[in-house]
Amino acid sequence: DAGITQSPRHKVTETGTPVTLRCHQTENHRYMYWYRQDPGHGLRLIHYSYGVKDTDKGEVSDGYSVSRSKTEDFLLTLESATSSQTSVYFCAISLFGGSTDTQYFGPGTRLTVL
Amino acid sequence: GNSVTQMEGPVTLSEEAFLTINCTYTATGYPSLFWYVQYPGEGLQLLLKATKADDKGSNKGFEATYRKETTSFHLEKGSVQVSDSAVYFCALTANSGGSNYKLTFGKGTLLTVNP
Repeated sequence: DAGITQSPRHKVTETGTPVTLRCHQTENHRYMYWYRQDPGHGLRLIHYSYGVKDTDKGEVSDGYSVSRSKTEDFLLTLESATSSQTSVYFCAISLFGGSTDTQYFGPGTRLTVL
Repeated sequence: GNSVTQMEGPVTLSEEAFLTINCTYTATGYPSLFWYVQYPGEGLQLLLKATKADDKGSNKGFEATYRKETTSFHLEKGSVQVSDSAVYFCALTANSGGSNYKLTFGKGTLLTVNP
């Protein structure tokens, strides 16, 4: 299994509070991604990073920000959580981000916003 | 834009039955195609992939062939087991501008195999 951990694995929070999810990898892969998984939608890309301090938006980036200060860590922040952000969040990594490259996924974080 | 359409589930089969999960795609350029599997409570795992037309990906008895003429990548297995019960996702990578590629997923198909 790819060395990817996510923390916390479960979190319950209240509307309006800030939340930070962490993804940590031990594979030294250049690319890291954050997805959310919702019933009926599959997985949708929130943000991704193609290097330290290099990030870009995905298709559902509103309300989320990210940071990557080290190769191994990619943080996802919900500045002010809303109930619509209740979801399961997955981090993924890939070596070089090319068309044929495989993305490897972490175990996920289940976030509930009350 | 790029998109993946896979058959809606749930799909319920008896053990040793033949499995087909249909997947078709729309993409610019020459995408790579993937099947991922998600077991209950876990993250996604790569099941198989194909990177060019007519390639066949295979793993654990599952197969899928990259058909450019029909823009399809159907997943098949000749004899399913209870342990194959999971959600299956078809996905593609395509250029998102510059040198970065993004993975686009179908909505997933829940497979339940009964003994």
